[in-house]
Order: sequence, then structure tokens, then C-alpha cells
Amino acid sequence: EAGVTQFPSHSVIEKGQTVTLRCDPISGHDNLYWYRRVMGKEIKFLLHFVKESKQDESGMPNNRFLAERTGGTYSTLKVQPAELEDSGVYFCASSQVLTRDRRGYTFGSGTRLTVV
Amino acid sequence: DQQVKQNSPSLSVQEGRISILNCDYTNSMFDYFLWYKKYPAEGPTFLISISSIKDKNEDGRFTVFLNKSAKHLSLHIVPSQPGDSAVYFCAASARGNEKLTFGTGTRLTIIP
Repeated sequence: EAGVTQFPSHSVIEKGQTVTLRCDPISGHDNLYWYRRVMGKEIKFLLHFVKESKQDESGMPNNRFLAERTGGTYSTLKVQPAELEDSGVYFCASSQVLTRDRRGYTFGSGTRLTVV
Repeated sequence: DQQVKQNSPSLSVQEGRISILNCDYTNSMFDYFLWYKKYPAEGPTFLISISSIKDKNEDGRFTVFLNKSAKHLSLHIVPSQPGDSAVYFCAASARGNEKLTFGTGTRLTIIP
């Protein structure tokens, strides 16, 4: 079974530009999550999709960030316009069922975003 | 306001010895705790978890202890092996809220 796939793996953009990150969850996983780790800090929750619906977007930092999951399959996270503080590693995770122990919760390898 | 804290950014342990990683939390609503392991250029992978109704959970070389009164948990790895060298994240969740709240991580280095 293919894991959670994220691309690009790295992206370097200039401040003010737009970047779109993509996450392909494990096939059949209805739950999709975005997290972010800014250099050396904690991994922070951004939002949670159930199929194509946003279940919880309380972690989205501001309106420069837009997440979509059309059709309930892959998801995109767009940053427009990017600022220096947006630099970090963006992780996506997916799960089929919501279990407290998170055993079925699989993370992708992340996209390292650098804004210069 | 960091609700999950890992105060040791790094830890070095001799191979074969016990590694102890610590985590503190402040939110009383957290009732499930997890440890994730992360290698460079990979995503976090689930290691072990514990419910707040327990004070210990063991899985092979890994044991997690929970002290609710102190709002503290620890991960014990014994014996430590070179492949255990990684960044370890403590995470917590509250019932009814599916998001995970992570700590800043502890980089564990096992010295051969």
C-alpha cells in the first residue's frame, strides 16, 4: 500500500510569491490533516478534513493560507502571498478511522518550504 | 502558549543503556498521549501511546509512564540501540478533539 505522498519535497520561493503544496493520502482514508513545523519548534496542527469537508481549521495561521480537498481525495495547501515566517516543514497525515491511539494515522515525509 | 513541553532538546545515551525522554503538559483536558519517532527527511511515525486511565504501557523495548498528578510522562527505551537515534516527539489529544498537540521534540543519539 502506498503511503501518504507529499510534493514537492522542497520548495524555495521569494517573499510575496505563491506556493501550492499537495498531499495524496492513503487510498480510502477519509481523514486528512495538515501540520507544520517551524524550525526547531513544535509540530503544529493546521486543519483536518473529513472527506472534502473542513472539520477543524482552528490552526490555520491567517487568511494567506487556503486548504482544499476537492472530491475528498488529494488536498492542496496554498500560501499566497508567502512571508518569511511561513518557512518550515509542512506535514500531511491521513487516517481511515479516528482512533485515540492513532495507530492508523500515517504521516507523509513533508514539504520543506523556504521563503527568502 | 505551549501546552506540551519537552525541555531537553537533545540526549546522548550509550548503546545498551536506558534512554529516558521526558514530557510535561499543562492542559487538563488531555486524556491520550503519544510518542512519535522521526528520522531525517521522513514524517513522524507512531511509537507508543497511553490513555489517561493507565499509568504505564509497555511495548517491547519501549515503555511509557504517565503521572497525571504531575502532568508528566516519560518514554523509556531499554536497551537503547543505534537505530533508536532519532527525534522523539511527545503528543497529546483531548476527547472530542482530533488534533494532536506536539512538543518541540528531543533528539536522541545512541553512542555505539
